[in-house]
Amino acid sequence: GDSVTQMEGPVTLSEEAFLTINCTYTATGYPSLFWYVQYPGEGLQLLLKATKADDKGSNKGFEATYRKETTSFHLEKGSVQVSDSAVYFCALTAGGYQKVTFGTGTKLQVIP
Amino acid sequence: NAGVMQNPRHLVRRRGQEARLRCSPMKGHSHVYWYRQLPEEGLKFMVYLQKENIIDESGMPKERFSAEFPKEGPSILRIQQVVRGDSAAYFCASSPGAGPQETQYFGPGTRLLVL
Repeated sequence: GDSVTQMEGPVTLSEEAFLTINCTYTATGYPSLFWYVQYPGEGLQLLLKATKADDKGSNKGFEATYRKETTSFHLEKGSVQVSDSAVYFCALTAGGYQKVTFGTGTKLQVIP
Repeated sequence: NAGVMQNPRHLVRRRGQEARLRCSPMKGHSHVYWYRQLPEEGLKFMVYLQKENIIDESGMPKERFSAEFPKEGPSILRIQQVVRGDSAAYFCASSPGAGPQETQYFGPGTRLLVL
């Protein structure tokens, strides 16, 4: 079945540090890939997505590139802020409809 | 355009009671999905519905859980005879279609606590 594996947290960074959260996937066919962010006590917000190989999704300084050869979709940001502290979920959809398969989430804490 | 609405945001039930969780999708969205998030875990798919139809309920426990999405009104996730293990955050998502590139938009969730 489909699955998503992402690096375990928590990840603690100082403000303005470089962020990488690794994500790899297993899926049949050609999945669409997503990163969602969940702030404390809130629901999930779509951060970015990519729907085909070599696409780069980007939003709010975050970016991720769909790498079919390595089945990866790593999330990066050049300079994190305290306000980026949240849980980040890598996810995919595959097949004929939109059942989303999520990774377990990576908690990011950015300290001033 | 209002986002996905869920209510209540917090729900406390005693063991054996029933829990009803409501989800109003975004305007124009006819596809609804329910997910459960256990403490410190990711979201797990439960059920996918279109208006008046259950399309996929493969992630939903066979007993005590049911879902509906009537022609009029919100989608309902119903949990009968709740147990402590049902304590979780339940998220609803909606999308306008079911194509491979559609995005699901999530509600704020209902946090169920079973005492």
